Amino acid sequence: ETVLTQSPATLSLSPGERATLSCRASQSVTSFLAWYQQKPGQAPRLLIYDAVNRATGIPARFSGSGSGTDFTLTISSLEPEDFAVYYCQQRNSWPITFGQGTRLEIK
Amino acid sequence: EVQLVESGGGLVQPGGSLRLSCAASEFTFSKYWMGWVRQAPGKGLEWVASTKQDETEKYYVDSAKGRFTISRDNARNSLYLQMNSLRAEDTAVYYCVRDWMVGTFDYWGQGIVVTVSS
Repeated sequence: ETVLTQSPATLSLSPGERATLSCRASQSVTSFLAWYQQKPGQAPRLLIYDAVNRATGIPARFSGSGSGTDFTLTISSLEPEDFAVYYCQQRNSWPITFGQGTRLEIK
Repeated sequence: EVQLVESGGGLVQPGGSLRLSCAASEFTFSKYWMGWVRQAPGKGLEWVASTKQDETEKYYVDSAKGRFTISRDNARNSLYLQMNSLRAEDTAVYYCVRDWMVGTFDYWGQGIVVTVSS
């Protein structure tokens, strides 16, 4: 099983700042990594797929990078609606696994 | 707009069974893999099971193997999760997901609560 480790667990930033979230895989997942955003009481929403591709309707301030075992989700300039929990997820091998999440909170 | 609507959740005793359903609409259901993802209270996301369009391939998380069965009815645009021998640790919100690229979940239902408790 591929274990995904996200860091930091919590990130405290202010609107307008740049956010950098990390996801490290216990073995290579090539580029088969996605990022999701989840707000309280809501279902997750797909942001990035296959490491670097924005999903339909996702603003350009969200970008993904990385390959192999190290991945990054960057939010270039935080908007108030971006404060949420973010999960990475790999589809390179079964079972599909998620990271434990990074909570992005308002400083 | 794609819609996924779960039903069938509720309170069940340990050892009991429950069958979740997911009604899909506004897309060609038979062309997509489909799956279930769950989230225990206050915890992260856990993939549970996925099925290929024609059910020739099905995959489960280890904790679900032998207890849960994923199935679908393409004529009814419906996905199911039969859960047997339920345990307290199966308590979670269960999400029906459209699996767009075999492991990329582009649409999610609103979720259904399953509580396993005596």
